[in-house]
Amino acid sequence: QKEVEQDPGPLSVPEGAIVSLNCTYSNSAFQYFMWYRQYSRKGPELLMYTYSSGNKEDGRFTAQVDKSSKYISLFIRDSQPSDSATYLCAMNFGNEKLTFGTGTRLTIIP
Amino acid sequence: NAGVTQTPKFQVLKTGQSMTLQCAQDMNHNSMYWYRQDPGMGLRLIYYSASEGTTDKGEVPNGYNVSRLNKREFSLRLESAAPSQTSVYFCASSFLGNTIYFGEGSWLTVV
Repeated sequence: QKEVEQDPGPLSVPEGAIVSLNCTYSNSAFQYFMWYRQYSRKGPELLMYTYSSGNKEDGRFTAQVDKSSKYISLFIRDSQPSDSATYLCAMNFGNEKLTFGTGTRLTIIP
Repeated sequence: NAGVTQTPKFQVLKTGQSMTLQCAQDMNHNSMYWYRQDPGMGLRLIYYSASEGTTDKGEVPNGYNVSRLNKREFSLRLESAAPSQTSVYFCASSFLGNTIYFGEGSWLTVV
């Protein structure tokens, strides 16, 4: 079993829809949780970073962490075609090494 | 804002050839990393360097060597390339380990 599980998709939704992306993890020692966005043939870029359980909002993006269920989510409101990308969850123990999910490919249909 | 710069962007190698991927960052970060990304496998850490003069193995170090030349530069060397090393390679850096910044990637094909 992988430490971090992420549905690879692909996921296609119409423009304006709410998107929900999810990851589960097995190691309860993970403390920091991140979401990266990766456009085709580009490097990943940090989108959201959270530490505690609960929600963190940044514009149209909301990151949610449920440590009791070992489950994290990224919600995208009013989705736009420019949101089409692969979304990677990542987490660590507070040290240098990140463990990544395999990524979910998202397409927003105009 | 250059950020993390890696070269070359594309490379085709024959089995057994050697090559070095170069990486430089201009953000004065202490930590630098090399990842590979393969379909269905996600990003996997090859080596990382927490500070100048130190390097540590990651999840998939076999077949690779690294050099932290100075604070800015971190190179990845394939001594004898194998087809299994066909991948996309990303260099990254961070000041605090949780906010990691990636380069644009290097596409390597070993035939």
